[in-house]
This record gives sequence, C-alpha cells and structure tokens, in this order.
Amino acid sequence: DVKVTQSSRYLVKRTGEKVFLECVQDMDHENMFWYRQDPGLGLRLIYFSYDVKMKEKGDIPEGYSVSREKKERFSLILESASTNQTSMYLCASSLTSGRGGELFFGEGSRLTVL
Amino acid sequence: QQQVKQSPQSLIVQKGGISIINCAYENTAFDYFPWYQQFPGKGPALLIAIRPDVSEKKEGRFTISFNKSAKQFSLHIMDSQPGDSATYFCAASRGGSYIPTFGRGTSLIVHP
Repeated sequence: DVKVTQSSRYLVKRTGEKVFLECVQDMDHENMFWYRQDPGLGLRLIYFSYDVKMKEKGDIPEGYSVSREKKERFSLILESASTNQTSMYLCASSLTSGRGGELFFGEGSRLTVL
Repeated sequence: QQQVKQSPQSLIVQKGGISIINCAYENTAFDYFPWYQQFPGKGPALLIAIRPDVSEKKEGRFTISFNKSAKQFSLHIMDSQPGDSATYFCAASRGGSYIPTFGRGTSLIVHP
C-alpha cells in the first residue's frame, strides 16, 4: 500500500514563527502536492512538484514556499506564520503514469497559529 | 472560477436511505472523475471513479452516474450506513494533467 506520512499531526505556533511541514511518500511517486483544507472551501492546492527540485504554484501559494530535495520528501514552509494560516494541511502524491487524478493523501497536519 | 461545483454542502440521511451528492463541471476536456471519501482525522482516499465513456459505474453500495451532455455526475450511496458518515469530494481531471480539480465537499451524516 502507498503510504504518505506527514510528520506532525498537530502543531501550535505563534505569529511570525517559521513553520516546516514535512511529508514523505514510500512509493516512488513522481508528483507531490500540498493542499489546504478549510470548512466550506474544500481542498485548495498550494504547491505541487512533478520532480526533484521542481515546483509549481497552485491556486493559493502566497505566504508559502516548498522544497523537494529528494524524490520521496516534500516540505511546506511558512516563512512567517500568520493567524489566517490556521488550517488543516494535506500532503498527497501520485504517479504521472497513473490514472489522472488518483492522489494518495497523508492524514493531515492541523496547524494553529496564535 | 469554480470549475467543479458540488452540492449539497451538507446532507443528513437516515440509516437505510439513499444519499445523493451532485457535481457539475465546466471544462469539456475533463475525462476522469474520481470521488474521494474522508473520515474525521484522516486524509481523503479514492472511493470510486468513472470515465465519460460509460454512464454508470457501481461498486457495492456506491454508484456514480454520469451525464456527459449535461456535464454532471453524481454519487449515490444505497442503503446508507452510519459508517458512511464522512466528507465526500468529487473531482475532475483531464488527460495529460495529473492535477485534479476538486469540488468543495459534502459532509454526510447518516443517523442510526
């Protein structure tokens, strides 16, 4: 089974802190994604990566950056956390050759910014 | 612009009833329509998916109905059970793109 692991399930940070959210997948998937989930707004794509060191902006990249130094690992970085970044963050991965749209998600990281 | 519109936002059904969630899309290039199921505290997981060359796909109690001319597709959950209580997301993607467009989700509660 594909496993996508998000290292932190719950985080509480203060405004202005730098926050790292880590994600690791174990199935050699080319593509990795970071989504943000908020009630009533669904899943909004922050950034995605289709290869090591490659990244593309999603729908809501402002205030975020990403890093993909190894194929299995995709990190989301909040350079200076703000209260409006309090949310559930979901990492996902997929195969380029797989059925278009079949994503495998981690269990999420719930971030609270005070 | 919301490319995939999902309704209703929330749904309450009695045990044994039929749950119906609808989605409509704009882009006629979409050719893969998955549904994801998310339980509280978990990430979404692929439930069932359909391509537009068929009008219906059934897996157990879950059925996707697809209307290409109307650009609509729906998820039907027959004999709904309390264990089906979850958030359901429809999505759409097109060939060559590995990035699905998600609907906003439907929170389903099935009362015992």
